[in-house]
Amino acid sequence: QVQLVQSGAEVKKPGASVRFSCKASGFTFTRYYIHWMRHAPGQGLEWMGTVDPNTDTTNYAQPFRGRVTMARDTSTNTLYMELSSLRSEDAAVYYCAREGGEITMPTKSFDYWGPGTLVTVSS
Amino acid sequence: QSALTQPASVSGSPGQSITISCTGTSSDVGGYNSVSWYQVHPGKAPKLMIYEVSNRPSGVSNRFSGSKSGNTASLTISGLQAEDEADYFCSSFTSSISYVFGTGTKVTVL
Repeated sequence: QVQLVQSGAEVKKPGASVRFSCKASGFTFTRYYIHWMRHAPGQGLEWMGTVDPNTDTTNYAQPFRGRVTMARDTSTNTLYMELSSLRSEDAAVYYCAREGGEITMPTKSFDYWGPGTLVTVSS
Repeated sequence: QSALTQPASVSGSPGQSITISCTGTSSDVGGYNSVSWYQVHPGKAPKLMIYEVSNRPSGVSNRFSGSKSGNTASLTISGLQAEDEADYFCSSFTSSISYVFGTGTKVTVL
C-alpha cells in the first residue's frame, strides 16, 4: 500500500533552518510528483512546491523561493525539504503528498498524504 | 496568489444536504478542470474527496459530489452524517503553474 512516512517533530529558534524527510513506499517512486504543503494553526493549507523524483526538477511557490530547497534520493525513495530563516509564522504542520496519476498524466490533486511533521518556532 | 474563497462555516442536520462553495478567478478555478476537495479531521492528514472537479477516488462515499460553474466550484455532501463533521478545503491548479487552496469551511452536523 502507498505510504509516506515523515520525520518527527522539530523545535527551532527564529533564524534557524529545518530539514524534513518523507520516505515513500508502495509505488514506483520516480513515476509520481511529490508536493509539500503546510497547515498553520487556524489557517488554511498552503502549497509550498513540488519535486519530480525522476529528474529532481523542482517548482517552488513564490512566497518560499530563496528560502526553500527540495530534493530527492532515489536510492532510498526519500524526499527532503529544507526551509531556512525560520520565523514564528512558519510554525505549522508540514506535509508531503503524492500527486494522483503518474507524471505522464497527473490529476493535479493530492491522493496520498504523509502524517505531517509539526514545527514549533520559539526563542 | 490569493486563497480561494470559501464560507467559514456550513451546518446541517443528519440526512440533509449541504453545499460548500469555492470561488476563485479565471486564472485558477475558472481556467482549469483541476479543482480538488479535501476533508481534514482535527489532528489528521487531509483526505482527498474529489479530484478534477467531480471525480471521486476509490473508497470515497458517493454522498460526496463536486461541480463547477465559471469561477466557482462546489462540493455537495448529501445524507449528512456525524462523521462528515470536519474542515473542508478546495484546491486548484493555477496559471502560475502552482496550486492554491481555499480558506477552508468548517462543517458542523447539528
